[in-house]
Amino acid sequence: GENVEQHPSTLSVQEGDSAVIKCTYSDSASNYFPWYKQELGKRPQLIIDIRSNVGEKKDQRIAVTLNKTAKHFSLHITETQPEDSAVYFCAASGTGADGLTFGKGTHLIIQP
Amino acid sequence: GAGVSQSPSNKVTEKGKDVELRCDPISGHTALYWYRQSLGQGLEFLIYFQGNSAPDKSGLPSDRFSAERTGGSVSTLTIQRTQQEDSAVYLCASSLGRGNTGELFFGEGSRLTVL
Repeated sequence: GENVEQHPSTLSVQEGDSAVIKCTYSDSASNYFPWYKQELGKRPQLIIDIRSNVGEKKDQRIAVTLNKTAKHFSLHITETQPEDSAVYFCAASGTGADGLTFGKGTHLIIQP
Repeated sequence: GAGVSQSPSNKVTEKGKDVELRCDPISGHTALYWYRQSLGQGLEFLIYFQGNSAPDKSGLPSDRFSAERTGGSVSTLTIQRTQQEDSAVYLCASSLGRGNTGELFFGEGSRLTVL
């Protein structure tokens, strides 16, 4: 099955700086790569996703890049704000019989 | 309902007892997933339903775990003879069509504590 590695496990940045979270995946057949944000005590929610036919997607302060050859994808958050503090999970679709395979998460801390 | 509903929200049980966790997905969503989240850990895939059938049950941690879905809607995750290592938050999610190509909508989760 699919295996997703996510780094770093914890990331602390100054408010206003950028944050980058990286993920690698193992199954070259994966074609869908979402990112979920989970605030403390709340449910995970989709913030952005990318499909294998594009290399980059942006939505305001967040962007995701995908390198299918290297099998890695990254989340970029610019001009970080206190409300960006949360755990972020990347995921890959795998080959379909099972669900999304998630990374272990990155705890993003925005320092004031 | 407006979102994915899970019950109970919290369950404390004694080691060796059986528990049932319920998930009511968003109306019309054909795909339903169960994940497990241990304290400070990621989302561990347990099982996926497309309609009433589960193509892959290999994510279930042991034969003490089982799940069913009836009428293409409500799903129940059953854990028999609970162990302390079963303590976790059990998250259900649903999606329109195949969830591994579209957005998953998660419930609030059922927090299970095994004493």
